[in-house]
Amino acid sequence: GENVEQHPSTLSVQEGDSAVIKCTYSDSASNYFPWYKQELGKGPQLIIDIRSNVGEKKDQRIAVTLNKTAKHFSLHITETQPEDSAVYFCAASIGSGSARQLTFGSGTQLTVLP
Amino acid sequence: NAGVTQTPKFQVLKTGQSMTLQCAQDMNHNSMYWYRQDPGMGLRLIYYSASEGTTDKGEVPNGYNVSRLNKREFSLRLESAAPSQTSVYFCASSDNAGHSFGPGTRLTVT
Repeated sequence: GENVEQHPSTLSVQEGDSAVIKCTYSDSASNYFPWYKQELGKGPQLIIDIRSNVGEKKDQRIAVTLNKTAKHFSLHITETQPEDSAVYFCAASIGSGSARQLTFGSGTQLTVLP
Repeated sequence: NAGVTQTPKFQVLKTGQSMTLQCAQDMNHNSMYWYRQDPGMGLRLIYYSASEGTTDKGEVPNGYNVSRLNKREFSLRLESAAPSQTSVYFCASSDNAGHSFGPGTRLTVT
């Protein structure tokens, strides 16, 4: 089955700096790559996703890049703010339609220092 | 819209007891899922339901059963709880835009 590795496990940055989280996946058939933000005591929240026919996607301060050849994808957060502090998870899935089995990375605890 | 709701929020069970975790969504999504989250690990899929009337095993189904009661509701049952099932359980639903997660149920089995 699919295996997703995520690095680093913890990341501290100064407010205003950029943060980058990287994930690799094993199954070349994976075609959907979402990123989730999880705040303490809450469920994961989808923040951005990318499909395999696209190399990069941006949404304000957040961007995701995908390298299908190398089988890795990354989350970039620019101009970080204290409210960006949370655990971030990457995931990968195969298939189409609404029923997608997501395989998650182990998470990155991001701390933005004021 | 409430999104995905889960009950209860917290539960403590003794080994061997049974319980059912409830989940409902009001987004008219076809697919629903149950995941568990353990410290230092990502979420792992227990069971999912691609559509009303169907259920399938995920990565870690042993010790669990599910019921897709209707399009809105998807329940997870532990027939005989074990300490290894101590975890945080998340229900999710999806359309083609990705999963929406509930707030979770924190379960402790002593």
